[in-house]
Amino acid sequence: GAGVSQSPSNKVTEKGKDVELRCDPISGHTALYWYRQSLGQGLEFLIYFQGNSAPDKSGLPSDRFSAERTGGSVSTLTIQRTQQEDSAVYLCASSGRTGDEQYFGPGTRLTVT
Amino acid sequence: QKEVEQNSGPLSVPEGAIASLNCTYSDRVSQSFFWYRQYSGKSPELIMSIYSNGDKEDGRFTAQLNKASQYVSLLIRDSQPSDSATYLCAVNPSSNTGKLIFGQGTTLQVKP
Repeated sequence: GAGVSQSPSNKVTEKGKDVELRCDPISGHTALYWYRQSLGQGLEFLIYFQGNSAPDKSGLPSDRFSAERTGGSVSTLTIQRTQQEDSAVYLCASSGRTGDEQYFGPGTRLTVT
Repeated sequence: QKEVEQNSGPLSVPEGAIASLNCTYSDRVSQSFFWYRQYSGKSPELIMSIYSNGDKEDGRFTAQLNKASQYVSLLIRDSQPSDSATYLCAVNPSSNTGKLIFGQGTTLQVKP
């Protein structure tokens, strides 16, 4: 079946602009996660959605970052007033339920100039 | 102290040999453990999951978990050049949260 999809695959933006990154999880998966991977850094947890529960936002690095998940499926990660340090690959993953194996999408490479 | 630690490598093994990748974690109550493979420029691909002490085998891969020692490893038998990648160890610290804590990864090089 179809895996996790993300769009766009690449995004170049100017410092100070807002960006939206989209994730479409595996059909039927109730849990959705956002991570980011910077050059030379490990994978860093950002936010996690499980069904209709309040999301775990504990990994968001600043209030410029927000995410929503509409209808329990597609999620959008928004970064406002982008900074150069936001440049990274943003990865989305989904799992059948909390604690299950997570499957990653191809990622969105964000470059802030 | 990092929560999940891996030797960054590179670990170099000849083709056909056994590659042994190791990972330690700091949170004693961690519940589940995963190994991901990541090729350069690609996203992580799940290889193995392990939830209880002991060994779990899947094809050429064996995951080993020792919760008392807070240690998880991945063995790759009959290593192939196509196994050359970065291997990420990931730990779910609690059944109440879905977030994974990742190690920095070990780079494996399999030489023909």
